[in-house]
Amino acid sequence: VQLVQSGAEVKKPGESLRISCKGSGYTFTSYWISWVRQMPGKGLEWMGRIDTSDSHTNYSPSFQGHVTLSADRSISTAYLQWTSLKASDTAMYYCARHPSYGRPAPFDYWGHGTLITVSS
Amino acid sequence: DIQMTQSPSTLSASVGDRITITCRASQSISTWLAWYQQKPGKAPKLLIYKASTLESGVPSRFSGSGSGTEFTLTITSLQPDDFATYYCQQYHTYSRFGQGTKLEIK
Repeated sequence: VQLVQSGAEVKKPGESLRISCKGSGYTFTSYWISWVRQMPGKGLEWMGRIDTSDSHTNYSPSFQGHVTLSADRSISTAYLQWTSLKASDTAMYYCARHPSYGRPAPFDYWGHGTLITVSS
Repeated sequence: DIQMTQSPSTLSASVGDRITITCRASQSISTWLAWYQQKPGKAPKLLIYKASTLESGVPSRFSGSGSGTEFTLTITSLQPDDFATYYCQQYHTYSRFGQGTKLEIK
């Protein structure tokens, strides 16, 4: 099982961005993908999740309206997107999988993280 | 929105010590609680799920307990590799993490 995330990005405020998380070694559509933010020196914040089988999403209230989750099951890839970045979006972003069927489940596999730096 | 309160935020201990970290949920989450270990520059690693079930490959010196709103992570006989930051996570309703506990060498 692997979740491979896209590389680090340096962007300016107001720019748009989409980062990716590609799953392999398992049935992609049997798992949700969640995204987790970690600001420099801070803790883990759950942003939201996407059901990769039908692209149904749930967002944390803290992130609703600020980011968009999407997925392309044909290439086993989930995306996290911003339309207008702010300096406060500077952080490491992780994707993680958890089963989308049966009982609630923890995040058993994580991507290596994508570092986003937003600076003018 | 379920809030998770973890304590202490920092813990100083020595190799061989036994330590306990506490996590409280703002409402009952049954046993839908996980513990993760994170080292600098690395992704979190799942240690324990369903409050007390050890993930495969995790050493038996790690253990978890609790249900409802009160949970603990215990590490017996601390090893040098255990000094890291630990997070609890509720996955009863979507997900939320505790603030983290940094375990430092005394």
